[in-house]
Amino acid sequence: AQSVTQPDIHITVSEGASLELRCNYSYGATPYLFWYVQSPGQGLQLLLKYFSGDTLVQGIKGFEAEFKRSQSSFNLRKPSVHWSDAAEYFCAVGVYGNKLVFGAGTILRVKS
Amino acid sequence: DTAVSQTPKYLVTQMGNDKSIKCEQNLGHDTMYWYKQDSKKFLKIMFSYNNKELIINETVPNRFSPKSPDKAHLNLHINSLELGDSAVYFCASSQESSGLAGLNEQFFGPGTRLTVL
Repeated sequence: AQSVTQPDIHITVSEGASLELRCNYSYGATPYLFWYVQSPGQGLQLLLKYFSGDTLVQGIKGFEAEFKRSQSSFNLRKPSVHWSDAAEYFCAVGVYGNKLVFGAGTILRVKS
Repeated sequence: DTAVSQTPKYLVTQMGNDKSIKCEQNLGHDTMYWYKQDSKKFLKIMFSYNNKELIINETVPNRFSPKSPDKAHLNLHINSLELGDSAVYFCASSQESSGLAGLNEQFFGPGTRLTVL
């Protein structure tokens, strides 16, 4: 069965430092991969998605993610974190049947 | 203008009651979804509708009944509420996808926090 694992429940980084959030997926077919961000009390906003082609995808707010098929990973990165990036981040895989399967989320805290 | 809206934002009710959550999208999308986010923030799809037709029904108790009066609305009615129903419920919408999730971006509403006492 398809699944998404985000190994880190919480991550704390200093403002201006680089960030990497890990995501591993399990899916038998070619994956469609997504990163969403949820700010406190808000809905989910799509940061970026991977369907095919270039394995390094650029998203909004300066985020990027790299698809590595050999590692079944789709890690999210940002070179310099801003305090406004503090939120919860969800990785998801799109599966046949028109649904998204989400990971458990990673809470990002930014310290000044 | 809000793309996907939900009402109410907060809902506190007693066990055994029946309640509804409304969702409306003004994006002209054909597909709408309900997700449940539990206390551990785990987000899982419950239903999806395409042009008022049920597409996905994920092992959800039949106390939960989605209703789509038109393709811009997908309401969630819950009968005989239980403590375990306490969660945040998110509505989402997307352009019609040909069986592949998220081939078109899903836009999420702000969520409805349901608390069952």
